[in-house]
Amino acid sequence: AQSVTQPDIHITVSEGASLELRCNYSYGATPYLFWYVQSPGQGLQLLLKYFSGDTLVQGIKGFEAEFKRSQSSFNLRKPSVHWSDAAEYFCAFSSGSARQLTFGSGTQLTVLP
Amino acid sequence: NAGVMQNPRHLVRRRGQEARLRCSPMKGHSHVYWYRQLPEEGLKFMVYLQKENIIDESGMPKERFSAEFPKEGPSILRIQQVVRGDSAAYFCASSETGTDTQYFGPGTRLTVL
Repeated sequence: AQSVTQPDIHITVSEGASLELRCNYSYGATPYLFWYVQSPGQGLQLLLKYFSGDTLVQGIKGFEAEFKRSQSSFNLRKPSVHWSDAAEYFCAFSSGSARQLTFGSGTQLTVLP
Repeated sequence: NAGVMQNPRHLVRRRGQEARLRCSPMKGHSHVYWYRQLPEEGLKFMVYLQKENIIDESGMPKERFSAEFPKEGPSILRIQQVVRGDSAAYFCASSETGTDTQYFGPGTRLTVL
């Protein structure tokens, strides 16, 4: 079955520290992969996406993600976290042929001053 | 270019009433998707529509829920005879023809009393 797993429910980092949020997928072919961020009471904002090509993808707000086919992973990284990055982060994928997005359960990020 | 618009942002209904949620896609987007986010859960796909057509409704509950995207006007998600379990945030997303990138609206938070 197609699925997305975000192993970490909650992560806490200090402001200025580096960040890595994990995402693993289960799918027989190369999926289309996305990271979205959701602030409390808000909608989802697209951070970045991977369809094909270069496996290191740059996004908005200083985020990047790396697609690793051998590990079925698409981890999100940021070298230095800002207090405004505190939010919930969702990894998602689609198969391309089926347009619907399948979301992970989300990772809540807390940033300490 | 205005983003995806949803209204109302908050909707309160009593059990047995009807709820109508509206979604206006981004300009130039002809594909609309509805997702539901139940408390403490991730986002789940409900339905995918193009103008005047339902393409995929595999995530829609079989009863009481319906969706449309008419030739003119917004997409409507309709929930008849609401129950407390329908309380959730309902998100709409849109995409352009030929792309797989979905942009989300701010959501409608439905509370059933």
